[in-house]
Amino acid sequence: GENVEQHPSTLSVQEGDSAVIKCTYSDSASNYFPWYKQELGKGPQLIIDIRSNVGEKKDQRIAVTLNKTAKHFSLHITETQPEDSAVYFCAASMGGGSQGNLIFGKGTKLSVKP
Amino acid sequence: DTEVTQTPKHLVMGMTNKKSLKCEQHMGHRAMYWYKQKAKKPPELMFVYSYEKLSINESVPSRFSPECPNSSLLNLHLHALQPEDSALYLCASSQGKRTVSYYGYTFGSGTRLTVV
Repeated sequence: GENVEQHPSTLSVQEGDSAVIKCTYSDSASNYFPWYKQELGKGPQLIIDIRSNVGEKKDQRIAVTLNKTAKHFSLHITETQPEDSAVYFCAASMGGGSQGNLIFGKGTKLSVKP
Repeated sequence: DTEVTQTPKHLVMGMTNKKSLKCEQHMGHRAMYWYKQKAKKPPELMFVYSYEKLSINESVPSRFSPECPNSSLLNLHLHALQPEDSALYLCASSQGKRTVSYYGYTFGSGTRLTVV
């Protein structure tokens, strides 16, 4: 089955700096790669996702890149703010419904220091 | 409506109790999921319902019993739980596989369950 590795497990940056979180996946059939932000006491919130036919996607300060050959994808957050502090999970899937359940990485705790 | 609503938000139950967790969505999603999340761990899949039929049971003990009464509702019935079952239980939904685009999971805020 699919296995997703995520690094680093903790990341501390100064406000305004960039943060990068990296994930690798094992199953070449995976074609959907979402990133979730989870704040304390809340459920995961989708912040950006990318499908296997796209190499890069950007949404304001957040971007995701995908390298299908190397089977890795990364989350880039620029101009970090204290409210970006949370646990971030990457995930891989072969699609929704019964054929494509999310396999999560172990998470990265991001701390943004003012 | 773009939310998944879970009730209750917090639940404390004894090992002999029977309780139920509820999940509701009105986005027309036809796949619904139960995940279990322990502290400082990623969510772990428990059950998947696709078009109101149970399609995946990830070897979950029978003390957890899912139910999908209709396309908008998902329940998780709990009976004779153990203290190690204490966790955050998350419900999620996504479009069913028969649609063109079936990506994108929406999670609820979860039920924080404590078994005493």
